[in-house]
Amino acid sequence: NAGVTQTPKFRILKIGQSMTLQCTQDMNHNYMYWYRQDPGMGLKLIYYSVGAGITDKGEVPNGYNVSRSTTEDFPLRLELAAPSQTSVYFCASSRQANTEAFFGQGTRLTVV
Amino acid sequence: RKEVEQDPGPFNVPEGATVAFNCTYSNSASQSFFWYRQDCRKEPKLLMSVYSSGNEDGRFTAQLNRASQYISLLIRDSKLSDSATYLCVVNKGGGYSTLTFGKGTMLLVSP
Repeated sequence: NAGVTQTPKFRILKIGQSMTLQCTQDMNHNYMYWYRQDPGMGLKLIYYSVGAGITDKGEVPNGYNVSRSTTEDFPLRLELAAPSQTSVYFCASSRQANTEAFFGQGTRLTVV
Repeated sequence: RKEVEQDPGPFNVPEGATVAFNCTYSNSASQSFFWYRQDCRKEPKLLMSVYSSGNEDGRFTAQLNRASQYISLLIRDSKLSDSATYLCVVNKGGGYSTLTFGKGTMLLVSP
């Protein structure tokens, strides 16, 4: 039972490079989320989606883009990596807005 | 007032102790409440949902006080393996609402 799967687990980027963090879920959940967590800090919502074709900004969307072409996949795109984007990124999904969310194992990103 | 507020701790307790965490939330329209557990450098995992009537799961008891807008988590007979950060999570309620996470309370259980 895979749940929420994120790739890659680790990545080092140079300033100005771009990359896509992949997230897929096999639970047929409507809602999907991207969070970032800086050391010693709480989770901050970057973007979320309430279903295929629908996305919306969270608390800290600047520097990121998302798409949701299928129910299963919710990739997060960093276009011009900056050191401030060094963080751990978690993808999550939930059946509905008010139900529990399930998380992927995270992607540790370092921008140098 | 922050949306979801928790005492960051750390709470240092010996094995076998009972420990309680509180969490306050600012939006009275909030509808769903959860406690998550996060181990160091790992993803958050659902510990338990919090229901209006209160609920218990083994050594863990969660309670909700809507009037005072706080939820609590009680851990009895603490184990070394309970050492983690406990996240209070609240759904803001209304429309396409999302979950809001507190910054967490760190628990350290010592032998």
